[in-house]
Parts: sequence; structure tokens; C-alpha cells
Amino acid sequence: QSALTQPPSASGSPGQSVTISCTGTRSDVGGYNYVSWYQQHPGKAPKLIIYEVTKRPSGVPDRFSGSKSGNTASLTVSGLQADDEANYYCSSYAGGNNVVFGGGTKLTVL
Amino acid sequence: QLKLQESGPGLVKPSETLSLTCTVSGGSITSIGYNWDWIRQPPGKGLEYIGTIYSGGSTYYNPSLKSRVTISIDTSKNQFSLRLSSVTASDTAMYYCARRDASDAFDIWGQGAVVTVSS
Repeated sequence: QSALTQPPSASGSPGQSVTISCTGTRSDVGGYNYVSWYQQHPGKAPKLIIYEVTKRPSGVPDRFSGSKSGNTASLTVSGLQADDEANYYCSSYAGGNNVVFGGGTKLTVL
Repeated sequence: QLKLQESGPGLVKPSETLSLTCTVSGGSITSIGYNWDWIRQPPGKGLEYIGTIYSGGSTYYNPSLKSRVTISIDTSKNQFSLRLSSVTASDTAMYYCARRDASDAFDIWGQGAVVTVSS
């Protein structure tokens, strides 16, 4: 059982927007602005797409955005493209050098 | 461009010790502001944080694995290593090494190493 809760699946049609949630507690998501999101295509290593809740690394399209409210963080993918089909994982700093991950969400582009 | 590469045996017998090394190229493992981590992913499942080593040598381990994990660093070789003792089939996974930045994000990952625990 993962420390952070994500929906197992999400879907949307090309051009649409989809939002994936990541729910924790005040000991992790709610307590720190250190939430990250990762994209993982099959057979590949995860890739960082969001850090510090809302920031994008260089090279990540602005179609990817992050937010947080209370103990729940969210990733929104706008203008869905076929290549966005992947698994998405959230993570959060949980104090005392610990990091916890979500169980992952499989995004399907219909 | 910094790259990480895992290496080590792909098959380990039950009760034995899993050993993996991560080689850092294109930059120094002693760079200020970064830590070095191990993360694993069982087949078809999600990511699990294993532990961290700081360039100064101090470590932090996932409490659920702490009794079996040792992470070490060799700055002369620009490498850090993972040892996981008393393995069982549930330790079968893809093992990734990754760089962790000051915001606790894993910004660079290795390609991963498959480790199977089987007799």
C-alpha cells in the first residue's frame, strides 16, 4: 500500500485536459511544498515533470501543470497528445529525509 | 550532461545479498546540493523509495527496509552502491539509482537494473 493515494487510471481524448490527484496527509503533501510528479513510459525510467508543486524542469511543455490544496496535490495535462499516454507518479517529502510515492496513475489517451 | 548507470548481478538467490553499483558520469558525485538515491519498482507495480546517501557519507533509509539496507559511496570512483541483505522473491524489481535535488525531487535517473530473486 502506497503512502500517497492516486487513482489507478485516467483518460481523455486528444486536445482535452485531464487532472490526476495525489492525496496524502499533513505529514507529507500537506506539510511541505515539495511535491513532484514523474512520467514513465513503458520500459523506461521515470522522468521528472513537476517539482516543488508547480515548477517545470527545462524542456517540459507548459501543458503540464501542478497545484496543491491541503493534503491533495494535482497534475493537469492540457491539450492531450498521444505521447502523453504513460504512467504518472507523485512523490512528496515526508520529513526526516523520507520521501513517499503514490501508487501511480495510468493515463490513456482515447 | 550528467548520467547515471546501474550495474550488478541480475539474479540473486533467496537469503543472499543483492549488490548494485551506480556510476555517475558527466559530473561529480560530490556536487553541492545533491544527494544520491536508490528506488525500486516491482514488476507491474509502483515506485518504492529505498534510501539516500549524501556526498559526505551520511545515509537515510526507508524505515520498512532499514534493517536490510546499506548504501555506501566511493567518491574516488564517482560511484555509490546498494546492498540489500536476506532477499526474498518480493525483492524482485527494477532498481533505479537517481539524483535527488534540494527540493527532494529526483531529477536524473539511471536506466534501471532488473534484479530477480530466485533459486
